[in-house]
Amino acid sequence: NAGVTQTPKFRILKIGQSMTLQCTQDMNHNYMYWYRQDPGMGLKLIYYSVGAGITDKGEVPNGYNVSRSTTEDFPLRLELAAPSQTSVYFCASRKTGEETEAFFGQGTRLTVV
Amino acid sequence: AQSVTQLDSHVSVSEGTPVLLRCNYSSSYSPSLFWYVQHPNKGLQLLLKYTSAATLVKGINGFEAEFKKSETSFHLTKPSAHMSDAAEYFCVVRQDSSASKIIFGSGTRLSIRP
Repeated sequence: NAGVTQTPKFRILKIGQSMTLQCTQDMNHNYMYWYRQDPGMGLKLIYYSVGAGITDKGEVPNGYNVSRSTTEDFPLRLELAAPSQTSVYFCASRKTGEETEAFFGQGTRLTVV
Repeated sequence: AQSVTQLDSHVSVSEGTPVLLRCNYSSSYSPSLFWYVQHPNKGLQLLLKYTSAATLVKGINGFEAEFKKSETSFHLTKPSAHMSDAAEYFCVVRQDSSASKIIFGSGTRLSIRP
């Protein structure tokens, strides 16, 4: 059981470039999340999804887009990369239920230069 | 809206001494509370979670936390620190009425002195 898988693990982007961070989970979880973690900081919620076809903004959505066409996949899109988006990005998922915890991927370290 | 405050950004203890990492939360409804640990350059691992069954929660690696509604606190403790406990610890709250957003505290870095 792979859990939550993120690709790539590392990426360097130039300012203005675009890219998609991939996240897939094989646990049939309805809920999925994208967070960013800046050095020495906690995790900030970018976007989340409660099921296929449904997404919503988190705390820091500006500069990002998401889609959820299937239960398994929740890609995060950066359209015009900026240095402020240099961060480590974590994807997470959890099953439906009031007392369920989130499972996290290993993270994608993104540097924008 | 829910929020979570970790009162110490850095805690340093000697090996073999007790650990206390403090967390206060704010939530309009009965929350679900979690502690996660992150070792350097690693992902996040669940230490323990509070739901509603018991106010004292035991987790992995000897950690436990007590939910105190009157104090809106969920502090993490361990009787005797080990060098392998050195990591970043995050207190996390999920407001069950919305059942969607999971909000992280800013983290506490735990250092262990030999």
